[in-house]
Order: sequence, then C-alpha cells, then structure tokens
Amino acid sequence: AQKVTQAQTEISVVEKEDVTLDCVYETRDTTYYLFWYKQPPSGELVFLIRRNSFDEQNEISGRYSWNFQKSTSSFNFTITASQVVDSAVYFCALSDRGSTLGRLYFGRGTQLTVWP
Amino acid sequence: SAVISQKPSRDICQRGTSLTIQCQVDSQVTMMFWYRQQPGQSLTLIATANQGSEATYESGFVIDKFPISRPNLTFSTLTVSNMSPEDSSIYLCSEGDGETQYFGPGTRLLVL
Repeated sequence: AQKVTQAQTEISVVEKEDVTLDCVYETRDTTYYLFWYKQPPSGELVFLIRRNSFDEQNEISGRYSWNFQKSTSSFNFTITASQVVDSAVYFCALSDRGSTLGRLYFGRGTQLTVWP
Repeated sequence: SAVISQKPSRDICQRGTSLTIQCQVDSQVTMMFWYRQQPGQSLTLIATANQGSEATYESGFVIDKFPISRPNLTFSTLTVSNMSPEDSSIYLCSEGDGETQYFGPGTRLLVL
C-alpha cells in the first residue's frame, strides 16, 4: 500500500537558518511520482516540485533543494537561509500511477515556523 | 498549469443543511479530484470525478453524503449533505491530467 510519512509535525527556526523537512514513502510501484506542496495560512496548496521515480538527481531552485534517494525511500526538502515567508505547512505526496497521474497520497504535513 | 477556481471560498452553515461547492478549471481536463482537509490534518481523497462516468468514492465516503456532478470537462460540483460539525473542513478540488496535480484555492466550511 502507498504511504507517506512526515515524522516532523512542527519545526521552528530563526530566520536565516537552514531547515530540512523529511519525507519517507512506501510503494510497490516501480514507477511513481513524488511531490512537495506548500500550504500557507491562506489555505491554498502551492505546488513546489515533482520528481519521478526514474530521476534521482537532486534539484535546486533558489533557496530550495530536494534530495531524492530511492535506496532509503526518502525525498527530503531543504530550505536554505529560511525567511519568515517560508512559514507554512509543507506536504509531501506520492502518486500511485506510473505514466498517468492518479490520486495523491499525502503525508501528515510539517508545520514550519520561521521567526524573525 | 491549469487555473482552478472554487466557489464559495468560505461559508458558515447550520447543521442539517447542504452546501454545493463549485470547481471550475480554465482548460478541459479528464480527471478531477475532491479532497477534504479536516482542521490540522492532512488531505484525504473523497472521490475521483471523470467526465461521463459516475464518481469513484474512497472508503469512508458515500454518494448520499457527498454527491458529485461532472457535467463537462471544465466543471465539477461537490455537495456536502445533511451537514454536521464534523464536516467542518477545507474542501479542495484538483485536476490530474498532466504530470502535476494542481489544486483550487479551497472552500473553508464551518458547520455550527
């Protein structure tokens, strides 16, 4: 069965600190997609990144970076030099269909608070 | 990416009443999804709505409580029927045709 675990419920950091959000997943599929979404206090779900199971290259986008390791079934998200605007709930998600996107399985989310 | 809008953005309802939430996509999509997010919780899939067929409901969700319509490729509605305070949640629709699933802004529902 598909499952996404975000063990960190809440994280608090001070501005400019680096922070890593952990995500561990379970799936029997050999082809799948992994996602990170950001949910600010306003409630909308903002797409951050998609990674398919065949692409283990790490990715960097500005202050954001993602580390995908199939050997440990992890897809961790690092924010460098955090800012107050990064405060939000971050969700890791898994799609259970290979070539065509299907429903998403979400982790419980990590509430990140960045203090000035 | 598709642009998705939802109406209403929020509502306060009395128990026993029903609310219909609308989801509009700015392009034609085959697959649409409805999720529920209870306070402080993660997102849970209610149902998958494909145009031209009956919605497929997840375990724990039934059509009588959450009827869904999908009249065309750009629009869907979710009705929350005979509401109780436990239905207080954010309801989100999403489209899933491409490689990335995009979400609407959500409907915040409070049931008194």
